[in-house]
Amino acid sequence: QQQVKQSPQSLIVQKGGIPIINCAYENTAFDYFPWYQQFPGKGPALLIAIRPDVSEKKEGRFTISFNKSAKQFSLHIMDSQPGDSATYFCAASKAETSGSRLTFGEGTQLTVNP
Amino acid sequence: KAGVTQTPRYLIKTRGQQVTLSCSPISGHRSVSWYQQTPGQGLQFLFEYFSETQRNKGNFPGRFSGRQFSNSRSEMNVSTLELGDSALYLCASSLEGTDTQYFGPGTRLTVL
Repeated sequence: QQQVKQSPQSLIVQKGGIPIINCAYENTAFDYFPWYQQFPGKGPALLIAIRPDVSEKKEGRFTISFNKSAKQFSLHIMDSQPGDSATYFCAASKAETSGSRLTFGEGTQLTVNP
Repeated sequence: KAGVTQTPRYLIKTRGQQVTLSCSPISGHRSVSWYQQTPGQGLQFLFEYFSETQRNKGNFPGRFSGRQFSNSRSEMNVSTLELGDSALYLCASSLEGTDTQYFGPGTRLTVL
């Protein structure tokens, strides 16, 4: 299975809220899990990434939580701001093609209201 | 360091035509990957080139092809365009031995 399933499809929060986006995967060979942020008219930009040997990783206001046994990982955005309004994609890749063949989730359109 | 650049940014073609898109990776990056982004199918991997050789290929018909030059610049070609080929085509480059892929702004292709 190559799929990565992402939810929710869209999310609206108030400024200061903590939006949470979830992803689930089937292929246990996946060993690299990045999150990308995409603004309209731009290409995706890497936010944060994690490997299965770590259960949580934090960079600034962005945190990834990883549950290897459940094959799930999620993105939390602390103290969300209107400037965080964008589409977020989770992704995964396998060891033998590490970094060079990403399988993406469907995307979550996040709106942060002022 | 300059980011990934893609040209042209916008293209309008008609069914049956062919198109060539260009990607210049970040200096020093030898791996170049291409992705198709559509509202219905999301982001899908097309192929990856490294040192002028196709290293990985996604599940796209043979109308989609690519190549890489000795300076790591890459082109992708779509022949006999169909309406369903309308999409944002994204190129990403990465440094060998690392996982991070850096995306360009994409080429928006519209097929009429």
